[in-house]
Amino acid sequence: QSALTQPASVSGSPGQSITISCTGTYSDIGTYNLVSWYQQYPGKAPELIIYDVLKRPSGVSNRFSGSKSGNTASLTISGLQADDEADYFCCSYGGTRFWLFGGGTKLTVL
Amino acid sequence: QVQLQESGPGLVKPSQTLSLTCSVSGGSITNGGHYWSWIRQYPGKGLEWIGYVFYSGTTYYSPSLKSRLIMSVDTSQNQFSLNLTSVTAADTSMYYCARVTSNSFDIWGQGIMVTVSS
Repeated sequence: QSALTQPASVSGSPGQSITISCTGTYSDIGTYNLVSWYQQYPGKAPELIIYDVLKRPSGVSNRFSGSKSGNTASLTISGLQADDEADYFCCSYGGTRFWLFGGGTKLTVL
Repeated sequence: QVQLQESGPGLVKPSQTLSLTCSVSGGSITNGGHYWSWIRQYPGKGLEWIGYVFYSGTTYYSPSLKSRLIMSVDTSQNQFSLNLTSVTAADTSMYYCARVTSNSFDIWGQGIMVTVSS
């Protein structure tokens, strides 16, 4: 299986909303509602911010939201803040106990 | 709360075996609600799922690494391990251990950088 496809970079101004897409195939995102998203600061480990497409772990801001349509999942960050500047990765179950990650998207807050 | 910590050599010679251990603290590895996973991140940023192990010893591996990979669990030490054989420069990465809960990787170790070089 190939990695999931994410844009290399996105940017937005403070207070705005941005959306990061994650495109897979019918065999992974299209079939399973098991998409998760991770935030990673430089030099740090990734942290879970969305699971099961749209659920937020305890403690994660409600400014982060997830959705899915067909073979594409999306992460939306509303009310953009300076400390949202980080890398974001999507992940999907690919069937047969296999997991796929996206290549990552660098978010720049202007 | 549960914390994970990777340990092992930071430098491995080509063709040798990469061996890493993940120590789990703040909770038992035998908690049946979790799997225990390894994930690596290339210097260029991309993440790759390597595999995961259940406390019973049941394992699931990435098809691309399956022929070189052995994962195991030591419940007495509350640890799980990764052994990757016949390494090449392409295996140079940051290696993370992570807990799997509700079909996501909810807790990660801080990571350990492993370089394959002679």
